[in-house]
Amino acid sequence: GQQVMQIPQYQHVQEGEDFTTYCNSSTTLSNIQWYKQRPGGHPVFLIQLVKSGEVKKQKRLTFQFGEAKKNSSLHITATQTTDVGTYFCAGGETSGSRLTFGEGTQLTVNP
Amino acid sequence: KAGVTQTPRYLIKTRGQQVTLSCSPISGHRSVSWYQQTPGQGLQFLFEYFSETQRNKGNFPGRFSGRQFSNSRSEMNVSTLELGDSALYLCASSFVTGGGHTDTQYFGPGTRLTVL
Repeated sequence: GQQVMQIPQYQHVQEGEDFTTYCNSSTTLSNIQWYKQRPGGHPVFLIQLVKSGEVKKQKRLTFQFGEAKKNSSLHITATQTTDVGTYFCAGGETSGSRLTFGEGTQLTVNP
Repeated sequence: KAGVTQTPRYLIKTRGQQVTLSCSPISGHRSVSWYQQTPGQGLQFLFEYFSETQRNKGNFPGRFSGRQFSNSRSEMNVSTLELGDSALYLCASSFVTGGGHTDTQYFGPGTRLTVL
């Protein structure tokens, strides 16, 4: 079955530093979604990428979908303490709601 | 709009018992999915219900079951609980767009199940 791997598992940064998490799928994805889960919270949708080579930005967050639609990345510029949490990528299918989640990258930001 | 609600929020059971968890989706959302979240296995898909029918199923044993009602509310049941079933059970609802890609999932706060 589909597997989605995500690295790194943990990332500690100083406030103001950049952060990147990478996601790799064993199969070609129809689309990829990114979620953020704050400590003690639940996953919250950030963005969906559907096109090969797609790049989307949300303020300091930049999301990329690989040309082969098998990998993706999330880059945060100049991290802030509010960025703390676990970032998950999730591979989607052509229909339905089933998502295959990566293991997540837990980001801590030291002020 | 009210978000996804799940009840109960916390539950403690003993091995061998069964448990039923409830999920009320966002108004207008007809798809409800369930996920199990554990530190070791991460977020794993259990099943999805749409229009009272199971549309997708993950790789979990038959002890895990679910259903959906005509008002889109969903329940999941776990029978003969094992210690390894201790987890955060998350429900997610979505508005089915039929756009050819996975619909955005809106997660509830989860039910924290502890099996002793």
